Amino acid sequence: ETGVTQTPRHLVMGMTNKKSLKCEQHLGHNAMYWYKQSAKKPLELMFVYSLEERVENNSVPSRFSPECPNSSHLFLHLHTLQPEDSALYLCASSQGAGKQETQYFGPGTRLLVL
Amino acid sequence: RKEVEQDPGPFNVPEGATVAFNCTYSNSASQSFFWYRQDCRKEPKLLMSVYSSGNEDGRFTAQLNRASQYISLLIRDSKLSDSATYLCVVTTSGTYKYIFGTGTRLKVLA
Repeated sequence: ETGVTQTPRHLVMGMTNKKSLKCEQHLGHNAMYWYKQSAKKPLELMFVYSLEERVENNSVPSRFSPECPNSSHLFLHLHTLQPEDSALYLCASSQGAGKQETQYFGPGTRLLVL
Repeated sequence: RKEVEQDPGPFNVPEGATVAFNCTYSNSASQSFFWYRQDCRKEPKLLMSVYSSGNEDGRFTAQLNRASQYISLLIRDSKLSDSATYLCVVTTSGTYKYIFGTGTRLKVLA
């Protein structure tokens, strides 16, 4: 399935590095999401974009910076991360926010911060 | 109280067994409900939406109880391939906030 793709799939970075995660959706959806999944915790919503406009920002540290240049692409820029930021970062998309709108997830980027 | 709560399990059941999971939610304004399945080190994938009247898809049956604010998932005739973590997801129509439970882990044993 290639509806939502993410790159890279794995990333190891030091605390002083700057890197970016990329997400692309091929489903013609209008909304895109970033989630963080840590061990034994539920998925945490980080950011939501609808038609390239940010509509949700859930108290995420400023070391995470999202960018949505168009409705098919979403980036997460990372800088001066902490070891506790190590997690699986999942991108998702949906058609909108109507009733029973399904989210479709990408395979995720597994991030390790040293 | 957590917005969405699930028993983390694991539920260890033999092949062919019937198993049921519940998920409670705290926001009475919640309108959309889903069950997702997540395999180890993979992304969540939609298993089924949950409708007010309940719905069935093959061996899987989902129910919604608005009065008690919970949804349930019943799996009949469990297969080894059903082993996974089952995530309960709740959202309010018109918002983009999908609230996930921590998941219930199921192991189907041969």
